[in-house]
Amino acid sequence: AQKITQTQPGMFVQEKEAVTLDCTYDTSDPSYGLFWYKQPSSGEMIFLIYQGSYDQQNATEGRYSLNFQKARKSANLVISASQLGDSAMYFCAMRALIQGAQKLVFGQGTRLTINP
Amino acid sequence: DTEVTQTPKHLVMGMTNKKSLKCEQHMGHRAMYWYKQKAKKPPELMFVYSYEKLSINESVPSRFSPECPNSSLLNLHLHALQPEDSALYLCASSQVRYTRVHTGELFFGEGSRLTVL
Repeated sequence: AQKITQTQPGMFVQEKEAVTLDCTYDTSDPSYGLFWYKQPSSGEMIFLIYQGSYDQQNATEGRYSLNFQKARKSANLVISASQLGDSAMYFCAMRALIQGAQKLVFGQGTRLTINP
Repeated sequence: DTEVTQTPKHLVMGMTNKKSLKCEQHMGHRAMYWYKQKAKKPPELMFVYSYEKLSINESVPSRFSPECPNSSLLNLHLHALQPEDSALYLCASSQVRYTRVHTGELFFGEGSRLTVL
């Protein structure tokens, strides 16, 4: 079974600093996908970035990058030049396939607060 | 703006009421999902529809009844709910197949916040 672990319940960062949110995972599947989502107080889950298990390079999307270390089973999210609007809950998730349908297994989340 | 639309945004109901949550997407996705999220917790999967057929039911109590009338619509019918069912209900959609280019990420709506009295 797939498992996602986020060990940081909360993070506090000064505006314009870089921040790393930790995520470790466990799976026996050779092929898997990892996702990061942002959830502001409005409730919507916003997709940020994706890393496939066979991708040779770390994924990047604007200010977001994913530090993928396959041997350590970690997929940390790095946000560069943090902004006040980055304050939100962040979830790491892994895709699991069940009966041909995909399901996302989420970690417990990290609440990020950006201070001015 | 989200491309997955959920209505209503807020719902208050008594334990004997019957109500429905609605979800609509026009991205051509053939997989649709219901997730339940309690405060300060991650979303938990309830149901998955693939090509309008129920693919996954995560042992959800029968007081929750999903329906997928067509590829764009997903409903969640609620009956005889309990106060502990109060939560944010998130609908999502995705492509059924994914590749290196189309990663199959889920697109979520803003959710329906349900309170059961």
